[in-house]
Amino acid sequence: AQKITQTQPGMFVQEKEAVTLDCTYDTSDPSYGLFWYKQPSSGEMIFLIYQGSYDQQNATEGRYSLNFQKARKSANLVISASQLGDSAMYFCAMREGSHNNDMRFGAGTRLTVKP
Amino acid sequence: DADVTQTPRNRITKTGKRIMLECSQTKGHDRMYWYRQDPGLGLRLIYYSFDVKDINKGEISDGYSVSRQAQAKFSLSLESAIPNQTALYFCATSDSGAVHNEQFFGPGTRLTVL
Repeated sequence: AQKITQTQPGMFVQEKEAVTLDCTYDTSDPSYGLFWYKQPSSGEMIFLIYQGSYDQQNATEGRYSLNFQKARKSANLVISASQLGDSAMYFCAMREGSHNNDMRFGAGTRLTVKP
Repeated sequence: DADVTQTPRNRITKTGKRIMLECSQTKGHDRMYWYRQDPGLGLRLIYYSFDVKDINKGEISDGYSVSRQAQAKFSLSLESAIPNQTALYFCATSDSGAVHNEQFFGPGTRLTVL
């Protein structure tokens, strides 16, 4: 069964505007971590932000923030003030339970920022 | 210098050939991972290692083997390559002592099996 679902294969946003990339997940484990990675056209995977299932507040890192809705099992990435360099693939991933478990990735969303 | 390096960066090989992809890291991390990326499927875990004497199968280990030669080195082998192993392969590392144990990725190896 798919653990991580990213329903938007592609998204467009105007430069300087905010954009939300959706991620829903499926787990029965009360302890889990959610990660977002960016993959530019050059191919490398860049870690962006982390949200723990017990974290009381939504995670933020610079222009990135997580809209974490635990009851709905969603962890959407919000990018504020989009820049041309934000054009990339974005992957949501989840690790269930302890740090000893592996991560499962979603299929990704391709974001294109328009000038 | 990159913290996680992969060699080769690109490789074209023929069906039935043995091929090895290598990964080295200077981050001092204890954990290392091999993933493959296919269009529309995201990344899938092949093998992972928590230390030099520890090897674990991931989601899609069939047709692959690994060797953790040292804490800093983790190689992936395809004993007899087949065309559906054509993919982008990533090595990753993590520090088990880090708060979130997030993974850091190498630049990837693009493998084509003809």
